[in-house]
Amino acid sequence: DAEITQSPRHKITETGRQVTLACHQTWNHNNMFWYRQDLGHGLRLIHYSYGVHDTNKGEVSDGYSVSRSNTEDLPLTLESAASSQTSVYFCASSELSAGQETQYFGPGTRLLVL
Amino acid sequence: GQQVMQIPQYQHVQEGEDFTTYCNSSTTLSNIQWYKQRPGGHPVFLIQLVKSGEVKKQKRLTFQFGEAKKNSSLHITATQTTDVGTYFCAGKEAAGNKLTFGGGTRVLVKP
Repeated sequence: DAEITQSPRHKITETGRQVTLACHQTWNHNNMFWYRQDLGHGLRLIHYSYGVHDTNKGEVSDGYSVSRSNTEDLPLTLESAASSQTSVYFCASSELSAGQETQYFGPGTRLLVL
Repeated sequence: GQQVMQIPQYQHVQEGEDFTTYCNSSTTLSNIQWYKQRPGGHPVFLIQLVKSGEVKKQKRLTFQFGEAKKNSSLHITATQTTDVGTYFCAGKEAAGNKLTFGGGTRVLVKP
């Protein structure tokens, strides 16, 4: 069955370190998204991609970067981790089908920055 | 930019009672989607509404899209403990494929 996976599921890191969160989907979807979820803020879009070599900034992109070298993967990099980036990170993918575009979410990565 | 607000932020419901959560967008939407996230889980798609005034039902859940396509509601009848979780609405503008999520309504059910 097609799926979307994230790794690691939990990560503890120190302020200033570079961290990369992986997202892999086997749906063959063109669209992929990264969100962070914090209490009281719901899901906020960090970066998104509509296809290979395409990346776009979301509403909270500062301090994050992504790259899309193939259809299946959209890794999220925190260039220099900050305590404010402690959060739960969700990756999602989507494709338009029969007029409906559903986002399928991965299980999430809990990141703690000390 | 587009903003999507949801109220209430928290909803404590007695099992068997009904409740409604509301979603309001600052801009006109091409469609609105609803997702449910169980505690400790990830958001899961429930439904999409596209047409002005559209109403869709899924068992005890009734979803409605406003006439102006700027607001939506989710009404749950006869709440059960399985309804526990956070319900998010997400609005899509006419251009692009990205969604703007509301802050969610966290539902707690008292048995």
